[in-house]
Amino acid sequence: GAVVSQHPSWVICKSGTSVKIECRSLDFQATTMFWYRQFPKQSLMLMATSNEGSKATYEQGVEKDKFLINHASLTLSTLTVTSAHPEDSSFYICSAPGQVLKREQFFGPGTRLTVL
Amino acid sequence: AQSVTQPDIHITVSEGASLELRCNYSYGATPYLFWYVQSPGQGLQLLLKYFSGDTLVQGIKGFEAEFKRSQSSFNLRKPSVHWSDAAEYFCAVVIMDTGRRALTFGSGTRLQVQP
Repeated sequence: GAVVSQHPSWVICKSGTSVKIECRSLDFQATTMFWYRQFPKQSLMLMATSNEGSKATYEQGVEKDKFLINHASLTLSTLTVTSAHPEDSSFYICSAPGQVLKREQFFGPGTRLTVL
Repeated sequence: AQSVTQPDIHITVSEGASLELRCNYSYGATPYLFWYVQSPGQGLQLLLKYFSGDTLVQGIKGFEAEFKRSQSSFNLRKPSVHWSDAAEYFCAVVIMDTGRRALTFGSGTRLQVQP
């Protein structure tokens, strides 16, 4: 099956710094990717939809200026958490859809962000 | 707005016992339904999915799920649980009639398996 990778798998940073998380589709092209956030012992919540060649679409309540998304190519989307604070500590997961008719989603392994 | 409900936050079963995890969705349109499992420190793994046709679907690791339109449910079952099944289970939905392709997840059910 299709593989989605994320880098880094975990990151610890100081409050006020910015962190970039990469999401790559390894063996297929993805014009759209999704970014989810999962707080401890909670479900995955969609943050934004990343679109290659255009602006990302953010879910209600998600700060666009804080969570910068860039879909640089058909295989790469990046999420940058700007001026991170402890409340941004979470598990960030990306996914890429597969064939339209199958409504498949291929998930990355996630990135654990801890902001001190 | 679409929603998925998993009524059970935490379930404990004995190894070898049967398992049923509940999932209900609230939509009028036909959904695509999924069950994912997330083990500690690992990513999401797709167990099974329902799009159309036979309402009883078979998945990996011996899991199955049954779609019941009249009850708006898609419960996950396994006849005999193994200790390695201990994990977090998420039901998710995509609505066919919308252009939205992102998944909406339920709150999850944590499964604990007793020896």
